[in-house]
Amino acid sequence: EIVLTQSPGTLSLSPGERATLSCRASQSVSSSYLAWYQQKPGQAPRLLIYGASSRATGIPDRFSGSGSGTDFTLTISRLEPEDFAVYYCQQYGSSPPNTFGQGTKLEIK
Amino acid sequence: EVQLVQSGAEVKKPGESLRISCKGSGYSFTSYWISWVRQMPGKGLEWMGRIDPSDSYTNYSPSFQGHVTISADKSISTAYLQWSSLKASDTAMYYCARHRRPYDYWGQGTLVTVSS
Repeated sequence: EIVLTQSPGTLSLSPGERATLSCRASQSVSSSYLAWYQQKPGQAPRLLIYGASSRATGIPDRFSGSGSGTDFTLTISRLEPEDFAVYYCQQYGSSPPNTFGQGTKLEIK
Repeated sequence: EVQLVQSGAEVKKPGESLRISCKGSGYSFTSYWISWVRQMPGKGLEWMGRIDPSDSYTNYSPSFQGHVTISADKSISTAYLQWSSLKASDTAMYYCARHRRPYDYWGQGTLVTVSS
């Protein structure tokens, strides 16, 4: 089973700043089958990034993903008020389980 | 429009059985896996298992194997998650999500509360 470790646990920033979230895998994630999701209170998760770096439909270009192998990054270039939420990475390679990281809470400073 | 609509909130007692549902519409139900994801109060997302609705082939997380059963009825485009004997620790929000690879559409969640 691939274990995903996200850091930091909580990130305190102001609107307009740049956010960098990290996701490290315990073993290589095949074919960069790594996704990022955003979850706001009381809502289901929403797909942001798939294949490590491809934006999902309707996702603003201030969101970008990068990385390969065991180290992945989600970057939000200029934070908008609606971006403060919890972010999860997930590996969805062909072999289950499709594990999630423990999440990074992005809060307003 | 693709939608996954889940059944409503449930309140149960320990030891009771339960089945919750996830109905897909707006797409070919048998062309995508359905996975179930648990979120305990104030906690993160946990992958429970998945089903291929075309043939009902399932995979389970070792953490949930033997405690839950995932099934599907492709004739009504509905997937199910069921327990035969609930525990207080099953109290959580449960989401279904469709995927071939990334989980692109999610249900709204079903809150299950288990309390004596």
